[in-house]
Amino acid sequence: GEDVEQSLFLSVREGDSSVINCTYTDSSSTYLYWYKQEPGAGLQLLTYIFSNMDMKQDQRLTVLLNKKDKHLSLRIADTQTGDSAIYFCAEKLGSGAGSYQLTFGKGTKLSVIP
Amino acid sequence: EAQVTQNPRYLITVTGKKLTVTCSQNMNHEYMSWYRQDPGLGLRQIYYSMNVEVTDKGDVPEGYKVSRKEKRNFPLILESPSPNQTSLYFCASTSTSGRAVEQFFGPGTRLTVL
Repeated sequence: GEDVEQSLFLSVREGDSSVINCTYTDSSSTYLYWYKQEPGAGLQLLTYIFSNMDMKQDQRLTVLLNKKDKHLSLRIADTQTGDSAIYFCAEKLGSGAGSYQLTFGKGTKLSVIP
Repeated sequence: EAQVTQNPRYLITVTGKKLTVTCSQNMNHEYMSWYRQDPGLGLRQIYYSMNVEVTDKGDVPEGYKVSRKEKRNFPLILESPSPNQTSLYFCASTSTSGRAVEQFFGPGTRLTVL
């Protein structure tokens, strides 16, 4: 079945690193995504990782993928107050034509304490 | 600028009064979706459309209708709204040109049904 799990809340101090974790159940996932939702706005794609990769780094963001444990994490270095948002993990299943649906987790609300 | 627009952004209505939430994208995407976001439940897909005149149910389609008469527009119709449809609604348009699949979200429509 398809299920993406995340913890609902995370609180960190400004300047520290944040690590948001996600687990998924479907081993046929081909791409895994992190989306950011700021207050009052829609979701924006932050980054994604292909399932044959272990790590992807993009400036302050590091994505780690443990395919054996079906665990995905997003690390935000030097967390700023502007990083306060809800972060959604999502998976894409399959690679055939028409497999465009993403399954989203419930979102992790990151609060950054000044 | 590539974007997904939704209207209205906020709507308060009464039970049983038909309403339509419009969604438009300027990216020539074939695949579009509607989601609702509820506290503790995350994002749930209502309907999606693979192309003009091709629509299908998502995870929570009851009480909703959609149409796709032209590629850029994908309106969500509530024929007889009920209070349990009070929610935050997002339209999404999906780029399918690469394998990664990127969803672009609209800003959201907050609907209250009294």
